[in-house]
This record gives sequence, C-alpha cells and structure tokens, in this order.
Amino acid sequence: GAGVSQSPSNKVTEKGKDVELRCDPISGHTALYWYRQSLGQGLEFLIYFQGNSAPDKSGLPSDRFSAERTGGSVSTLTIQRTQQEDSAVYLCASSALAGGTYEQYFGPGTRLTVT
Amino acid sequence: GQQVMQIPQYQHVQEGEDFTTYCNSSTTLSNIQWYKQRPGGHPVFLIQLVKSGEVKKQKRLTFQFGEAKKNSSLHITATQTTDVGTYFCAGSFGGKLIFGQGTELSVKP
Repeated sequence: GAGVSQSPSNKVTEKGKDVELRCDPISGHTALYWYRQSLGQGLEFLIYFQGNSAPDKSGLPSDRFSAERTGGSVSTLTIQRTQQEDSAVYLCASSALAGGTYEQYFGPGTRLTVT
Repeated sequence: GQQVMQIPQYQHVQEGEDFTTYCNSSTTLSNIQWYKQRPGGHPVFLIQLVKSGEVKKQKRLTFQFGEAKKNSSLHITATQTTDVGTYFCAGSFGGKLIFGQGTELSVKP
C-alpha cells in the first residue's frame, strides 16, 4: 500500500517568508510525528499528534513553528518568518497502535533551504 | 528533558570487521527502537526491544536491551558494504520517540 508522502520534496524560500510543509500519513495510522534533521545530524523531535488528543508540542523550537492535523489525517507544518537556521530536512512519520508496537514509518522528507 | 545519547558518532571499518553502537538514557525506557538511514534516504525501522535484558537477532545484527532498560546496543558481525548508513536508536517515552544522534557507519571494501 501507499506509504507516508510529503510535499514539496524541496523548498527554497527567502528569509522572512512563511512556508507550509505537508504530510500524508499511512491511511488508518492514528499517530503522526514531525522531526527536523539538519545536515549530518540526528532527528530532532518537533511535534506529535495522537488521535483526537491534544498534540505534544514540546519539541517546537520557537513560536514561529506550528502544526495542524485535519480530520485525523493530513498534517501541515508551518514555519513563519523563516530564518537561515531553519534550513534542514523536515521528516514526517506515522504509526499505528498495533499490539503495543509503535513502529514509525517515515516519509521521504522535505528539504527546506532558506536563503 | 528526555535525552538519548548514542556513541560513537562515526565508525569506519574494513569490510568483514564487526561494528557496535551504544545507546544510553538517563531514565528508564518503555521500549527502544532501532532505525537505519541509508545515505540520502529516510529512517527505516529495524526492530523494537521491550523486555529487560532482551536480545534479538536479525541475521548478522544483534540487538540488546539492558537489564535496567536504560541502555541498548546494536552489534553487526562481519560488516558488508550494504551495511553502510546511519543507525539510530530511539527511546520511547510514553507515545513519543526521542532519537539518539545516530552512528554513521562507513565500510571500506
């Protein structure tokens, strides 16, 4: 079946502009995660949605970052007034709660470059 | 905050040598997962460990979860060029995964 998809695959934007990154999780997956990966670095947790519960926003680096998940499916990560340090690959992952296994399936990522 | 430390950051080996990466948490983990990210790719799930002292094997890969559920290791026996990539551990804190910084493995043929 279809995996996690993300769009756009690449985004180049000017400093100060807003950007929206989209994630389509695997159908039926109740949990959705956003991570940021800078070049050669690990995965930095940003935000986590689980079903209808309030999202865990504890990883968002500043109030310029926000995310929504509409209808328990598609999610959008918005970065306002982008800065050069926001340049990174933004990865989305989804997981299903099945027998206590919370394996995460990652999308291909969106590479964001802020000039 | 919740942190998962992973060492080493880089490991360069000759093909056929063994490789080990270690993961440590300051707090007890519900479970730990391991992922592999090939160069230019995205992380792919390898395995999950849940029980204290658990050991699981996948062909040449051996995964261990510590007795206190605060540390874990991944050992690859007789590395091959196909093992190249970055290996991440991820500790489960409730429903959230916190990833280690990863160990980048390069294998010289």
